[in-house]
Amino acid sequence: LAKTTQPISMDSYEGQEVNITCSHNNIATNDYITWYQQFPSQGPRFIIQGYKTKVTNEVASLFIPADRKSSTLSLPRVSLSDTAVYYCLVGDDASGGSYIPTFGRGTSLIVHP
Amino acid sequence: DAGVTQSPTHLIKTRGQQVTLRCSPISGHKSVSWYQQVLGQGPQFIFQYYEKEERGRGNFPDRFSARQFPNYSSELNVNALLLGDSALYLCASSLSPMGEGHRWSSYEQYFGPGTRLTVT
Repeated sequence: LAKTTQPISMDSYEGQEVNITCSHNNIATNDYITWYQQFPSQGPRFIIQGYKTKVTNEVASLFIPADRKSSTLSLPRVSLSDTAVYYCLVGDDASGGSYIPTFGRGTSLIVHP
Repeated sequence: DAGVTQSPTHLIKTRGQQVTLRCSPISGHKSVSWYQQVLGQGPQFIFQYYEKEERGRGNFPDRFSARQFPNYSSELNVNALLLGDSALYLCASSLSPMGEGHRWSSYEQYFGPGTRLTVT
């Protein structure tokens, strides 16, 4: 079964770079890795997605090593508004072949002034 | 453009009752998925529907059912409510169904604000 492991919590300060790593040892060969951000009382919001190497968009970078057993979300120069829970998501192949998206337990990031 | 909408926002039910939650996807999105999120945990996948057909089901009992309508909106029904069903129920829509194609992809899912269900 696909399973992800993330640190439960992290602390940072405004202006710093934050790296959150997710391990997904059983990731399927053909699966992507997706990261979401969630604020209290809101639904998750898509941040970034990748398959291998490095992906960058306007808010984050995603680093995926060659073995794809882990991925690292990098948030440059965080601000107080980046305080949220961050989830990595991979897929699982249920019996019958359907795709089961599997969220991790999330990393609670607190950014201090 | 309007995002994913869900109704109601909050709901209080008694054990044994039945509940129906509703979701309207982003215009143009044909795939709708439902998730249950218990406090302190990540969302757990319940169902995915695409073009009115079930495309995936998570590890939930048969008390949970869903359907998708021709306008791509969706309902989640939960029968015989238990205290443990208390959670935030999230609906997400995407352009394409998850898990399609040469490479799996969860695709970019757009989540609604959720329905907070409390079972007493």
